[in-house]
Amino acid sequence: DAGITQSPRHKVTETGTPVTLRCHQTENHRYMYWYRQDPGHGLRLIHYSYGVKDTDKGEVSDGYSVSRSKTEDFLLTLESATSSQTSVYFCAIGDYNEQFFGPGTRLTVL
Amino acid sequence: LAKTTQPISMDSYEGQEVNITCSHNNIATNDYITWYQQFPSQGPRFIIQGYKTKVTNEVASLFIPADRKSSTLSLPRVSLSDTAVYYCLVVRYSGGGADGLTFGKGTHLIIQP
Repeated sequence: DAGITQSPRHKVTETGTPVTLRCHQTENHRYMYWYRQDPGHGLRLIHYSYGVKDTDKGEVSDGYSVSRSKTEDFLLTLESATSSQTSVYFCAIGDYNEQFFGPGTRLTVL
Repeated sequence: LAKTTQPISMDSYEGQEVNITCSHNNIATNDYITWYQQFPSQGPRFIIQGYKTKVTNEVASLFIPADRKSSTLSLPRVSLSDTAVYYCLVVRYSGGGADGLTFGKGTHLIIQP
């Protein structure tokens, strides 16, 4: 399996609080991605990165920001969490057409 | 962007060959077709990708007709452990970025004994 870890694996937070999810890779891959998965919607791309400090928006980027200060780490931040951001978040690495996914983070916003 | 359409669910039995077809009528020249498998509580796992004709690996085959408006994932001799959700993606490379990285709802394949 590709060396991808996500932290935390589970988090419960309250509406209005900031939340940061971390994705860490040991594969030295240039591309990294954040997705969210919700029942009835499949996986949707939030943001992706094509290098250190190079990021771009995905399909559902509103309410999320990302940062990538070094190759191995890609952070996803919810500046002020809302209940609609309750979801399972997956990080992935790899080329656009061949990605390897992390184990996911289950986030609940009360 | 090439929209994909897949059956919501399929049933089959152990030992059978299973074919899952994905429709992508407005696929463009620069688009690649990719399939993933996802088990409950896990991230998707890459299965196979292709551009045209047939691609085969140790897990599956991918058939793409000449017009590329559809593709078929073929799983030979399935077992109970192949019960999963299968996603078809059409990924477009454009101006240094990628479009189409949306997994949709996928096909829930259920294998029975």
